[in-house]
Amino acid sequence: DSGVTQTPKHLITATGQRVTLRCSPRSGDLSVYWYQQSLDQGLQFLIQYYNGEERAKGNILERFSAQQFPDLHSELNLSSLELGDSALYFCASSVGIENTEAFFGQGTRLTVV
Amino acid sequence: GQNIDQPTEMTATEGAIVQINCTYQTSGFNGLFWYQQHAGEAPTFLSYNVLDGLEEKGRFSSFLSRSKGYSYLLLKELQMKDSASYLCAVRNGPGNNRKLIWGLGTSLAVNP
Repeated sequence: DSGVTQTPKHLITATGQRVTLRCSPRSGDLSVYWYQQSLDQGLQFLIQYYNGEERAKGNILERFSAQQFPDLHSELNLSSLELGDSALYFCASSVGIENTEAFFGQGTRLTVV
Repeated sequence: GQNIDQPTEMTATEGAIVQINCTYQTSGFNGLFWYQQHAGEAPTFLSYNVLDGLEEKGRFSSFLSRSKGYSYLLLKELQMKDSASYLCAVRNGPGNNRKLIWGLGTSLAVNP
């Protein structure tokens, strides 16, 4: 158990819908990272928050947004869902701004039908 | 551009040694990571190299050559539980926007 909690574990939704994925980082970790993992593209970095502020941004689509709340939990919002958004979404956390070791949650498997 | 290459699949025998290579092309290099990921599970951290040379941690070692854009992960005394995907990732970018770029992973099968 990494100490990072992601909910829900599985999510099935229809195209065009909007979903929210939730992540609680390890106690004491200030950075939260969101990743998308699909079979053909591997792990893709989406976005990082540090202590409530956006820190780094990857190839995150405009339909996707995220935020980190004062209690440090984070949410990833995915809207206007498309079939291609079906993937495993991981959240990771680390103590500092730049992770030398990040701890991953078990992921949310999103299926868009 | 940015690119990370590692073999797609490797096979080895229990008790043996295996070396998984990773080559990268990137700008603003700031460290290389190896993670292990069992099927359907979360990646777990194995090693981090930012300077040239070998880092040893138990049965696992990782090597980096920044001038060659090359790293390897060495696994000794292989066990069946080492069957997993091994992900190479490079951290790069300017100080205010550093991010990890990930390879597609090397799927290692350890046979008895």
